[in-house]
Amino acid sequence: DTEVTQTPKHLVMGMTNKKSLKCEQHMGHRAMYWYKQKAKKPPELMFVYSYEKLSINESVPSRFSPECPNSSLLNLHLHALQPEDSALYLCASSQGDGNSNQPQHFGDGTRLSIL
Amino acid sequence: GIQVEQSPPDLILQEGANSTLRCNFSDSVNNLQWFHQNPWGQLINLFYIPSGTKQNGRLSATTVATERYSLLYISSSQTTDSGVYFCAVEPGTDKLIFGTGTRLQVFP
Repeated sequence: DTEVTQTPKHLVMGMTNKKSLKCEQHMGHRAMYWYKQKAKKPPELMFVYSYEKLSINESVPSRFSPECPNSSLLNLHLHALQPEDSALYLCASSQGDGNSNQPQHFGDGTRLSIL
Repeated sequence: GIQVEQSPPDLILQEGANSTLRCNFSDSVNNLQWFHQNPWGQLINLFYIPSGTKQNGRLSATTVATERYSLLYISSSQTTDSGVYFCAVEPGTDKLIFGTGTRLQVFP
């Protein structure tokens, strides 16, 4: 069982819809991440939050908007997505504090389809 | 940026066989992890191994950081080992870069 919980597991939405992906961890980790994985490709980093502040944005289009309401929660708000945004979206967390690296733990992902 | 290459890209085994997967990276790293992604997309931590050797059941891993490679050994493979194996490296802090993956199929 994963200790990082993502909801929903599947999401189908139209290009004009607004939806949100949610991620939760209760391991006391200080860093949380969003990755995007297209079919038959490796995951690619989108955003990193460290101590609830956005620390890395990998030049992600503004139609993806991350939010970290508290240390346990991470959201990804979606608006006006394109069909090419269909992918598996993975959330991860880690305890690393910027000076020492620690493993990242992944949720089961949200499989997103844009119609 | 850092390049992470895995070999072989595809591997087909019969149950009970052993295998070695390789991960080469082009620059020094602070962290290296091995993951198994099952057919349902779940990404499962196998090893956190920036250097040295670790074993967990039928799996073991070795990272030689000075030579910029890591190996994952799978012994007595089972059909449940099927899926994609990724290595991922952290060249600095927080930024995990995934390798190209090895797709493993184990047949009974």
